[in-house]
Amino acid sequence: KQEVTQIPAALSVPEGENLVLNCSFTDSAIYNLQWFRQDPGKGLTSLLLIQSSQREQTSGRLNASLDKSSGRSTLYIAASQPGDSATYLCAVRPVETSYDKVIFGPGTSLSVIP
Amino acid sequence: NAGVTQTPKFRILKIGQSMTLQCTQDMNHNYMYWYRQDPGMGLKLIYYSVGAGITDKGEVPNGYNVSRSTTEDFPLRLELAAPSQTSVYFCASSYAGFPYEQYFGPGTRLTVT
Repeated sequence: KQEVTQIPAALSVPEGENLVLNCSFTDSAIYNLQWFRQDPGKGLTSLLLIQSSQREQTSGRLNASLDKSSGRSTLYIAASQPGDSATYLCAVRPVETSYDKVIFGPGTSLSVIP
Repeated sequence: NAGVTQTPKFRILKIGQSMTLQCTQDMNHNYMYWYRQDPGMGLKLIYYSVGAGITDKGEVPNGYNVSRSTTEDFPLRLELAAPSQTSVYFCASSYAGFPYEQYFGPGTRLTVT
């Protein structure tokens, strides 16, 4: 059974610091992995989607990597800003399921201190 | 485009009451989904629909019902609310299954006391 975990559960950093969020999954048979941002009272915003054949994706100050064989992904945020404060969720799309399924991790709550 | 909209934003229910969470999308997506998110946990799929008139169970369907009479709307019904249904509920839609991305609504925060 596919399970997704994220470490740490919460992170607090001073503004300007570079940081890494971690995501692990137990079954490497995935179509893709996606990183989302969740702001309080708002829906999920997709940040980056990495297909299973890709190693990384970049968008602005964000870089996500995928190592399917080891079941790991990292989200790197460069030069963090207070506006980056949010919960970050990773999610995988397993290959073998009876329905179109996305399995989410529990999230990492990030606080960037001015 | 408003995208995926959900109403209400917040609701408090008493045990045993019923309610319907509304979800509408204006992107002409075929697939729609209902997830719940409990504190410190990832989202779990309750029900999904691949088109009008077609619905199916996800991981945690007990205590919920859905219908899909139109492409745009996918309401979620709670018949006899229980404290275990206290959660944040997200609706999502996508054009189709993989490789199409799911787009999420803002969520409904439900408390059952």
